[in-house]
Amino acid sequence: EPEVTQTPSHQVTQMGQEVILRCVPISNHLYFYWYRQILGQKVEFLVSFYNNEISEKSEIFDDQFSVERPDGSNFTLKIRSTKLEDSAMYFCASSEQGRYTGELFFGEGSRLTVL
Amino acid sequence: KQEVTQIPAALSVPEGENLVLNCSFTDSAIYNLQWFRQDPGKGLTSLLLIQSSQREQTSGRLNASLDKSSGRSTLYIAASQPGDSATYLCAVRIQGAQKLVFGQGTRLTINP
Repeated sequence: EPEVTQTPSHQVTQMGQEVILRCVPISNHLYFYWYRQILGQKVEFLVSFYNNEISEKSEIFDDQFSVERPDGSNFTLKIRSTKLEDSAMYFCASSEQGRYTGELFFGEGSRLTVL
Repeated sequence: KQEVTQIPAALSVPEGENLVLNCSFTDSAIYNLQWFRQDPGKGLTSLLLIQSSQREQTSGRLNASLDKSSGRSTLYIAASQPGDSATYLCAVRIQGAQKLVFGQGTRLTINP
């Protein structure tokens, strides 16, 4: 069964360092998303991406964050200068169709620990 | 602002029981509602998606209903098994936006 894959599964970094989290969405999907879940809190939306541009972002997604689809398969989230409060599980998701109606499929997540 | 609430926060039942998990949302202007399962330290597995025009969806032992006007959804699990133990999350896709707004989840434990 097709699935969303994410790497790395766990990354530890020092505050102020740049981090890139990688995702391979399901191959025929057109819409891509990043969400995060701080330990013990709700899953929160970060950004959605369609047709090679950001289509929606939350107030969390400030200038320290960026997304890119560098080739036909990968979708990346970059945090330029990590802060302690960026420690969280980051989930990539994709959907096949329907900007507003499609079912989202999530990856296993990348746990980011900022020291 | 859309708020999604799940009650109870935790539930423990013996194996074999039928059970209901609840999800409520404050704004009925939604495109759809999706139920997920999350195992500890793992990703989210989609269980059921209900579009706003639908009343319910079924998959195996799972049945989800949606009452958009009252801002409620329920997830019914029949004949529960220990393997059903997980956290169950509901999320709504609000109109005019692409993002999902999540509840905090119900942590379900099925005791053998």
